[in-house]
Amino acid sequence: QSALTQPASVSGSPGQSITISCTGASSDVGSYNLVSWYQQHPGKAPKLMIYEVSKRPSGVSNRFSGSKSGNTASLTISGLQAEDEADYYCCSYAGSTTYVFGTGTKVTVL
Amino acid sequence: EVQLVESGGGLVQPGGSLRLSCAASGFTFSSYWMHWVRQAPGKGLVWVSRINNDGSSTSYADSVKGRFTISRDNAKNTLFLQMNSLRAEDTAVYYCARGIHSFDPWGQGTLVTVSS
Repeated sequence: QSALTQPASVSGSPGQSITISCTGASSDVGSYNLVSWYQQHPGKAPKLMIYEVSKRPSGVSNRFSGSKSGNTASLTISGLQAEDEADYYCCSYAGSTTYVFGTGTKVTVL
Repeated sequence: EVQLVESGGGLVQPGGSLRLSCAASGFTFSSYWMHWVRQAPGKGLVWVSRINNDGSSTSYADSVKGRFTISRDNAKNTLFLQMNSLRAEDTAVYYCARGIHSFDPWGQGTLVTVSS
C-alpha cells in the first residue's frame, strides 16, 4: 500500500491550463478505472472533483478533467482561477477493497 | 442536505483507546458503503478502513489492521471506528466519507492526538 506519486507543487497563471500527474503501479492505477481526485482548501474537508478516471460529479466545473494512461492518471485544470488554489489528491482502488491516496499536490495560482 | 458529522476525537495516551462516531443524515445510510480516511498534521490523506452497506464486510489499511475496528448502526445512521493500542503516529484528523470507489461527501473531521 505505497502512496501514489504526485508532484509536490504545480503552478500556473490565471487562465492557463495545468496538469497534475498521479503515478501508481500495475496493481492499482494500472488495473482499475477507479481513480478519483479531491480538492482540499486549507482547514477544510476534501471535495470530490473527478471519479472513475474522468467523470465529473454534478456541480463540479467542466474546467476539471481527468484521464489515465497505463499506471499514470492525470488531472487537468483549464482556465485556471484563483479559487483553484488548493491541495489536490488522487486516489485509486488497489484491490481487495482497499484504496491508496496520492502524496498530494499544492496548486498555486501565480 | 447530505451531511456527515464526526465526533469522539481528543487527547489519548499511547496504548489507549478511542471510539469515533460519524452521524449521517440526508440520505439512506443503509444503502451506502462508508470509509474512514485520516490526515496527520501537515501531511496527506491516508485511507484507513471501509465497511459495506450492511456491515457484513470490512477492510483495513495494513497500518491499522488488528488495532482498529470499523462498524455501523444502520438503525441509528451512525458509523463507528474503534481504535485500540493507539500510537503517536495515529495522530491525525479522522474523516468519514460515503461511497464505494470514490468518497463523497466528507465530514468535517475530528482530531485525534496520541501523546503522553
